[in-house]
Amino acid sequence: SQQGEEDPQALSIQEGENATMNCSYKTSINNLQWYRQNSGRGLVHLILIRSNEREKHSGRLRVTLDTSKKSSSLLITASRAADTASYFCATDAGNTGKLIFGQGTTLQVKP
Amino acid sequence: GAVVSQHPSRVICKSGTSVKIECRSLDFQATTMFWYRQFPKQSLMLMATSNEGSKATYEQGVEKDKFLINHASLTLSTLTVTSAHPEDSSFYICSAPPRGTAKNIQYFGAGTRLSVL
Repeated sequence: SQQGEEDPQALSIQEGENATMNCSYKTSINNLQWYRQNSGRGLVHLILIRSNEREKHSGRLRVTLDTSKKSSSLLITASRAADTASYFCATDAGNTGKLIFGQGTTLQVKP
Repeated sequence: GAVVSQHPSRVICKSGTSVKIECRSLDFQATTMFWYRQFPKQSLMLMATSNEGSKATYEQGVEKDKFLINHASLTLSTLTVTSAHPEDSSFYICSAPPRGTAKNIQYFGAGTRLSVL
């Protein structure tokens, strides 16, 4: 069963605004990853945050992890039209490689 | 970066035929590859784990006789959808962690859209 639940399911913003997406999971994890998927394409790895980390940055991306609440957030700052895509969180509890994906957030950035 | 090539990108077939999808790691070896299925506007669901030189392991509810997986080399895994039916129409994506690295760091193919008429 899907472990990660994401909200919002869909988000529409203007270029330049920030976009925040949230992900919740149910079991203990070793790490949590965020992926991006352009329509009809494969996934691109964005960032990985380990269970002992609380925040991580990569360019315009900021990821937080709250293991007590079993939740993570992805913030995209100064969004661009090219950021339009679906964003998924994924967890792997046992380092088996069996990623469990959240339902995803579809982001539309209007120019 | 590591590249995973998936072929074909799109296939349309008649009901009852079999379709083979290839997943290749182009610049690294992979002892393990993963196959996912994604229905429209939904998330990815893991179908099976492909293991080089041994049998694939399937997730609960996935029919092994329906989705045949062969991982004959360290750079190639194939998924064959046998006797495809319209309900098998979906987007199939493979991924692979480079050999010797953490399995949760995976590179994804671009996906194969299967449409069964």
